[in-house]
Amino acid sequence: AQKVTQVQTEISVVEKEDVTLDCVYETRDTTYYLFWYKQPPSGELVFLIRRNSFDEQNEISGRYSWNFQKSTSSFNFTITASQVVDSAVYFCALSEAEETSGSRLTFGEGTQLTVNP
Amino acid sequence: DVKVTQSSRYLVKRTGEKVFLECVQDMDHENMFWYRQDPGLGLRLIYFSYDVKMKEKGDIPEGYSVSREKKERFSLILESASTNQTSMYLCASSTLGKMETQYFGPGTRLLVL
Repeated sequence: AQKVTQVQTEISVVEKEDVTLDCVYETRDTTYYLFWYKQPPSGELVFLIRRNSFDEQNEISGRYSWNFQKSTSSFNFTITASQVVDSAVYFCALSEAEETSGSRLTFGEGTQLTVNP
Repeated sequence: DVKVTQSSRYLVKRTGEKVFLECVQDMDHENMFWYRQDPGLGLRLIYFSYDVKMKEKGDIPEGYSVSREKKERFSLILESASTNQTSMYLCASSTLGKMETQYFGPGTRLLVL
């Protein structure tokens, strides 16, 4: 069965520091998607990125970047020059092609990021 | 923009009450999902639906049922609420497909006394 592990439960940094959130996954499928979501204190999960298993190219979006390494089954998320507004719980998730219906997501436990001024 | 709304942000109920949580999406999505979120456990899938009147059990369906009479609306029902159902409930929707992005509502924090 698939599994997603977020290595850090909590991370605390000072504003402007760079921070990396680690995500390790397990799957028997060769075709799958990986996701990152952000959950601010308001509670709503906000979609950040989706990456398919055949595309190992790293992605950068502003201060956010993602490093996908199939060889180590990892999909890590880095925030450069962190800001207080980045404080949130971040979830990594996995979706597989072999599910019989729907698009089931398996979530990690989440990483609470606190950015202090 | 995708919009998923949930009927209540906060709800307080008593043990044994029947509880309805409503979710509505405005993007004509085929798939809809109900999750519960608990500290240290991440999000766990309760039920999902890929079409009107269709439903499938997720990982933790016990104590819950669902209803999908219209495409845009997906209801989660707690037939007889218990204290261990105190949690954050999140609804999501996506287009039809096995690996489509799910878009989430704001969540309902349910407290069962």
